[in-house]
Amino acid sequence: DVVMTQSPLSLPVTLGQPASISCRSTQSLVYSDGNTYLSWFQQRPGQSPRRLIYKVSNRDSGVPDRFSGSGSGTDFTLKISRVEAEDVGVYYCMQGIHGPYTFGQGTKLEIK
Amino acid sequence: EVQLVESGGGLVQPGGSLRLSCAASGFTFGDFWMSWVRQAPGRGLEWVANINQDGSEKYYVDSVKGRFTISRDNPKNSLCLQMNSLTADDTALYYCARVGRYSLSPTSWGQGTLVTVSS
Repeated sequence: DVVMTQSPLSLPVTLGQPASISCRSTQSLVYSDGNTYLSWFQQRPGQSPRRLIYKVSNRDSGVPDRFSGSGSGTDFTLKISRVEAEDVGVYYCMQGIHGPYTFGQGTKLEIK
Repeated sequence: EVQLVESGGGLVQPGGSLRLSCAASGFTFGDFWMSWVRQAPGRGLEWVANINQDGSEKYYVDSVKGRFTISRDNPKNSLCLQMNSLTADDTALYYCARVGRYSLSPTSWGQGTLVTVSS
């Protein structure tokens, strides 16, 4: 199975400051169609997950533009340009091309 | 608006069975792959199973193969997960999710239904 490794696992951030989460996969996530199927999810406390980013860098509808995704191959990053209070929660990366789908361990973002 | 409402969770003894259901609305159910994803208490997300639009393709995480069966009823806009031979490791909140048409990842999630396996 493809293992997704996130770092850091805990991320204390001051309001208004940037934040960055790394995600690495044990296999390339480039599919035969040329697309890279890496997604990012946010799970706020007590809520269901919500997808933020798909295919590395595409923001879902309604996702603030302070969230951005980048990377290629096996190395990916989620960045928040200026953290707001509503960003508190756990963030997961996920790969969708190698069965079974696999998620990273999650990165818990908290406000300092 | 896409809505996914899970039901069927509860307390079951080890070795027992449970059938989860997911009622979908707000979109053309038969046009999308669907997934079950679970989250053990205080833990991360684990994809469980996928099913394609007409139910002819099904995929499972190794830990549930041979015990769980995913199915769908398109005319009834319903997704199911039959879970047999349950163990304590299956204790989790089970989410129903719609898979993005061109993104191979869940775009919409239900609120989840809690399965507790305990004697």
